[in-house]
Amino acid sequence: DTAVSQTPKYLVTQMGNDKSIKCEQNLGHDTMYWYKQDSKKFLKIMFSYNNKELIINETVPNRFSPKSPDKAHLNLHINSLELGDSAVYFCASSQAPMGLAGGYNEQFFGPGTRLTVL
Amino acid sequence: GQSLEQPSEVTAVEGAIVQINCTYQTSGFYGLSWYQQHDGGAPTFLSYNALDGLEETGRFSSFLSRSDSYGYLLLQELQMKDSASYFCAVRPGGGGNKLTFGTGTQLKVEL
Repeated sequence: DTAVSQTPKYLVTQMGNDKSIKCEQNLGHDTMYWYKQDSKKFLKIMFSYNNKELIINETVPNRFSPKSPDKAHLNLHINSLELGDSAVYFCASSQAPMGLAGGYNEQFFGPGTRLTVL
Repeated sequence: GQSLEQPSEVTAVEGAIVQINCTYQTSGFYGLSWYQQHDGGAPTFLSYNALDGLEETGRFSSFLSRSDSYGYLLLQELQMKDSASYFCAVRPGGGGNKLTFGTGTQLKVEL
């Protein structure tokens, strides 16, 4: 009965490699997100998709490319990994935002993927 | 842009009451959320304030003053399991469900 799942949980790789992280939610939500949490626990949004459409794209290197094959899945592909990419990456989902000033929809986070770049 | 400030660490004893403050500066504002994160775990939603005042949910309450750009999370009857990081997060303007998180407050509950 997992709500938001991510694979893998741990990822250790060499600099320069390309890797992907997968995320799936079974909550029926329309909106999904990717966050990066650094070693100081600072949590920053990277991307958000609403029903497979990119709606938030923060200042993220273009080595990071999200892909949403359907509204239940949001994957993150990272090219040419760098040491600074080491972090915990969280996927999250929520009901679709209800307009500019609509009610807030809580975000449900996955367990995280700890990426270590050597 | 947005910036949020929280104390980095708070320590309290079991059974006590603790308040975690959050001040923010944003270019737009729709509301303030609070999330809890245990070590090694995922952030989980605690509360959301869009209007001024106090919202109560069990042992946890959250307060917002929009005019002061300030909010706080109040935890009562502290339990050991409340030891965690607590993040305030602003929902800025511009639509969508975007959250900008604060730096987090590490709460340690002692016997």
